[in-house]
Amino acid sequence: DIQMTQSPASLSASLGETVTIECRASEDIYSNLAWYQQKPGNSPQLLIYDANSLADGVPSRFSGSGSGTQYSLKINSLQSEDVASYFCQQYNNYPNTFGAGTKLELK
Amino acid sequence: EVQLVESGGGLVQPGRSLKLSCAASGFTFSNYYMAWVRQAPKKGLEWVATISTSGSRTYYPDSVKGRFTISRDNAKSSLYLQMNSLKSEDTATYYCARDTYYWYFDFWGPGTMVTVSS
Repeated sequence: DIQMTQSPASLSASLGETVTIECRASEDIYSNLAWYQQKPGNSPQLLIYDANSLADGVPSRFSGSGSGTQYSLKINSLQSEDVASYFCQQYNNYPNTFGAGTKLELK
Repeated sequence: EVQLVESGGGLVQPGRSLKLSCAASGFTFSNYYMAWVRQAPKKGLEWVATISTSGSRTYYPDSVKGRFTISRDNAKSSLYLQMNSLKSEDTATYYCARDTYYWYFDFWGPGTMVTVSS
């Protein structure tokens, strides 16, 4: 199975700051990567698919980039409603696998 | 509006069975692959099963293969997960999710909690 390694595991940032979360795959996943946001007590919501495509209704301050084995999620101008855990998922290989998550808190 | 609502979770003893259900609305259910994804307490996400639009094809990771069975009733817009020979490590919140056919998930239900304990 492909291993997905997210960093950092937790992150504290201030309102208005730019935040970047990294995800590294154990082998090339050819941009078949999604990012999900899970707010406390809620189910995950799709943010990004195909590494850099924004899902419907997702604010433009979220963006994804990367290729090969290295991917990142960037949040510009952090808002209070962005406090959540973020997970990456590869769907290039069977079975699809998720990263362990990054917990984002406000400083 | 797409809605997915799971039910059927609860406390079950190791080795016993449990069947989860998911009621879908707000989209043409029969046009979509559907999936179950679980999350152990304070842990990450794990894909559990996927089913094709007609139900003729099903997919599982090794961790549940042979114990879990995913099924669907397109006439009722419902998805199911039959879980047999349950283990303590199956304890998790189980989410019903709409699969985009490309193996990522664009809508999720609120989840139903399954606790496997004696």
